[in-house]
Amino acid sequence: DAGITQSPRHKVTETGTPVTLRCHQTENHRYMYWYRQDPGHGLRLIHYSYGVKDTDKGEVSDGYSVSRSKTEDFLLTLESATSSQTSVYFCAISDGTESNQPQHFGDGTRLSIL
Amino acid sequence: DQQVKQNSPSLSVQEGRISILNCDYTNSMFDYFLWYKKYPAEGPTFLISISSIKDKNEDGRFTVFLNKSAKHLSLHIVPSQPGDSAVYFCAANWSGNTGKLIFGQGTTLQVKP
Repeated sequence: DAGITQSPRHKVTETGTPVTLRCHQTENHRYMYWYRQDPGHGLRLIHYSYGVKDTDKGEVSDGYSVSRSKTEDFLLTLESATSSQTSVYFCAISDGTESNQPQHFGDGTRLSIL
Repeated sequence: DQQVKQNSPSLSVQEGRISILNCDYTNSMFDYFLWYKKYPAEGPTFLISISSIKDKNEDGRFTVFLNKSAKHLSLHIVPSQPGDSAVYFCAANWSGNTGKLIFGQGTTLQVKP
């Protein structure tokens, strides 16, 4: 299994509070991604990183920010959480972007915003 | 606009029979496709992929077929086993897109003993 650790695994918080989710990898992979999974939508890309301090937006980036100060860590921040951001969040890593370099996923963070 | 669609939310098959999961796409730029399997409370696990220059790729009990003219791919599992019961996601991307996968909605497969 790819060395990917997401923390926390579960979190319940209130609307308007800031939330930070962490993804830690031990594979030294260049690319890291944050997805959210919602019923009827599959997984949708929020933000991704192609190197330290190099990040870009995905399909559903509004309300989220990311940071990557070290190769191994990719942080996802909800500056002011809303109920629409209740979801399961997955981090993924890959060593490249070619078809023979698939992304490998962490076990997810279940986030509930009340 | 859903670029990758899995129109069957669920599928139930008997152990030992064939499972066929389908996926349709709209973007002609996609040049490789992947299938992931997901168990509850776990992350998706890569299963098999196919490049657009091929029409078939096989790995053990799993075979993916690609029909580019119909913009359709399918995953065949033969024979199906109870441990194959999971949610299956189809995903697509194109070279130069920095690995930003586009996922379908998923199909829940139940294999009955």
